[in-house]
Amino acid sequence: KQEVTQIPAALSVPEGENLVLNCSFTDSAIYNLQWFRQDPGKGLTSLLLIQSSQREQTSGRLNASLDKSSGRSTLYIAASQPGDSATYLCAVRIRPTSGTYKYIFGTGTRLKVLA
Amino acid sequence: GAVVSQHPSWVICKSGTSVKIECRSLDFQATTMFWYRQFPKQSLMLMATSNEGSKATYEQGVEKDKFLINHASLTLSTLTVTSAHPEDSSFYICSALSRGYEQYFGPGTRLTVT
Repeated sequence: KQEVTQIPAALSVPEGENLVLNCSFTDSAIYNLQWFRQDPGKGLTSLLLIQSSQREQTSGRLNASLDKSSGRSTLYIAASQPGDSATYLCAVRIRPTSGTYKYIFGTGTRLKVLA
Repeated sequence: GAVVSQHPSWVICKSGTSVKIECRSLDFQATTMFWYRQFPKQSLMLMATSNEGSKATYEQGVEKDKFLINHASLTLSTLTVTSAHPEDSSFYICSALSRGYEQYFGPGTRLTVT
């Protein structure tokens, strides 16, 4: 059974720091991995999507890497800002032995960037 | 980017009544939509996968007779919580799958059952 874990569960950093969020998954048979941001009481915003054949994706100050063999992905945020404060979720796309494709979400990292 | 809407954004209902939540993909067609449930400070739990024109696939432990899902068109899926109870109070989020297999999420619906 695929399990997705995110470390740390919560993180508080001063503005301007570069930081790394970690996502681990137990089964390397994934089709893609997606990073999301969720603001309190809101839906999810897609940040980066990495296909299983890719190693990394970049968007602005965000860079996500994927190492399928070790079951890990990292989200790197450069020069953090207070507006980056949110919960960050990773999700892997899998295909169970029975049924259609689905996504398994990680436990989330609550980030707070202090001004 | 792709936009997914949900309606209503919040709803309060009395115990025993039914509530319908709509999920629409506004600028793309989605043959597959997902329904999730999220408890406070927890991650998303997949409830069911909704495929246009066919029956939804429910995750283990989710009562299909209580959470009715209908995906009648390529842009609309509905979740109906039947005979709601206070323990059904939660944040319900839908997502739609694009052709590039990227998920786009709705803003969520907060359901409170009194």
